[in-house]
Amino acid sequence: EAEVAQSPRYKITEKSQAVAFWCDPISGHATLYWYRQILGQGPELLVQFQDESVVDDSQLPKDRFSAERLKGVDSTLKIQPAELGDSAMYLCASKAGDLMQYFGPGTRLTVT
Amino acid sequence: GEDVEQSLFLSVREGDSSVINCTYTDSSSTYLYWYKQEPGAGLQLLTYIFSNMDMKQDQRLTVLLNKKDKHLSLRIADTQTGDSAIYFCAESRGDSSYKLIFGSGTRLLVRP
Repeated sequence: EAEVAQSPRYKITEKSQAVAFWCDPISGHATLYWYRQILGQGPELLVQFQDESVVDDSQLPKDRFSAERLKGVDSTLKIQPAELGDSAMYLCASKAGDLMQYFGPGTRLTVT
Repeated sequence: GEDVEQSLFLSVREGDSSVINCTYTDSSSTYLYWYKQEPGAGLQLLTYIFSNMDMKQDQRLTVLLNKKDKHLSLRIADTQTGDSAIYFCAESRGDSSYKLIFGSGTRLLVRP
């Protein structure tokens, strides 16, 4: 069964450092989402791509966060500089033409 | 508004039924979903219901939707210890983004 892949699974970084996460959606899925999940809360959308274009980045802190999906396939989310409050699980999800979003295993970020 | 609310915790005995409740505020929501998250893992789509339906059954899972009260529930029959996890309710609008708005999750503990 096809799955959304994410790496790394875990990342520990010091504040003010740069960090990047990678996501490979299910093959053929045109829509890709990045969510942030703070411990004890539900996921919140950071950015949504349709192919290589950003559809919604209204909740992305653009002073430090950036996201790209250059060829409309895999995607990278970057934080520079990381802050203590960025510690969270970063989840990637993808969707084909139906309405089901399928999630990857996530990247657990700890900022020290 | 964009608010999805769930109770925080539910404890049941193995073999009993579990009922997890959710309320949402956006009457334009077209699809409602239930996701399961095990510790340290991503979200697994369990089931979904279209807003013009009242009930959907899928093996041990029954979803009930009361659109008038904006109330959604997930019933798990014959609950097993492997069902222990956090369950998230999510709503999706009918616009082109299909952005998901999640509740804070209900932690289900199944006692042997």
